[in-house]
Amino acid sequence: DIQMTQSPSSLSASVGDRVTITCRASQGISNSLAWYQQKPGKAPKLLLSAASTLESGVPSRFSGSGSGTDYTLTISTLQPEDFATFYCQQYYSTPYTFGQGTKLEIK
Amino acid sequence: QVQLVQSGAEVKKPGASVKVSCKTSGYTFTGYYMHWVRQAPGQGLEWMGWINPNSGGTNYAQKFQGGVTMTRDTSISTAYMELSRLRSDDTAVYYCARDQGSGYYYYWGQGTLVTVSS
Repeated sequence: DIQMTQSPSSLSASVGDRVTITCRASQGISNSLAWYQQKPGKAPKLLLSAASTLESGVPSRFSGSGSGTDYTLTISTLQPEDFATFYCQQYYSTPYTFGQGTKLEIK
Repeated sequence: QVQLVQSGAEVKKPGASVKVSCKTSGYTFTGYYMHWVRQAPGQGLEWMGWINPNSGGTNYAQKFQGGVTMTRDTSISTAYMELSRLRSDDTAVYYCARDQGSGYYYYWGQGTLVTVSS
């Protein structure tokens, strides 16, 4: 199974900050990586697929990059509605696996 | 518009089984694989497996093999996930999620809380 390691597990930041979350796969996943945002009591929301493709309706302040085993999600200018938990997911091979999550909190 | 509507919360005793439904609308049900993902309280997301609604073929995570059964009823565009021999650590919110074609999910059900308690 491919292990996905996210860092940090939690992060405190202020509105207007730029934040970066990292996801490392235990083997190469050829950009088969998605990022999700989840708010309490809600289903995850897809932000990006193929490591860097922004989904329809997702603000352009979200961006993704990376290759091979290392990927990042960047939020360029934090907005109040961005505070949530973020997950990466590899869909290169089954069993599909998720990172453990990064909880983004207001400083 | 695409919708995935899941059945309501369940409370089960250890050793029992539970069957969660995911009724779809707004798209061709047989055209997209359906996956099941669960989330224990305060924990992360865990992939359980998928079903091909067209053929009925399935692919389960090894952890769940022998305990999970995914089925579908194409006449009512509904997918099902049945989990047997429930344990307390099966307490979780169970989500159905429609595969976009590559293994990631834009459309999710609202989640079904399954509580396993004696």
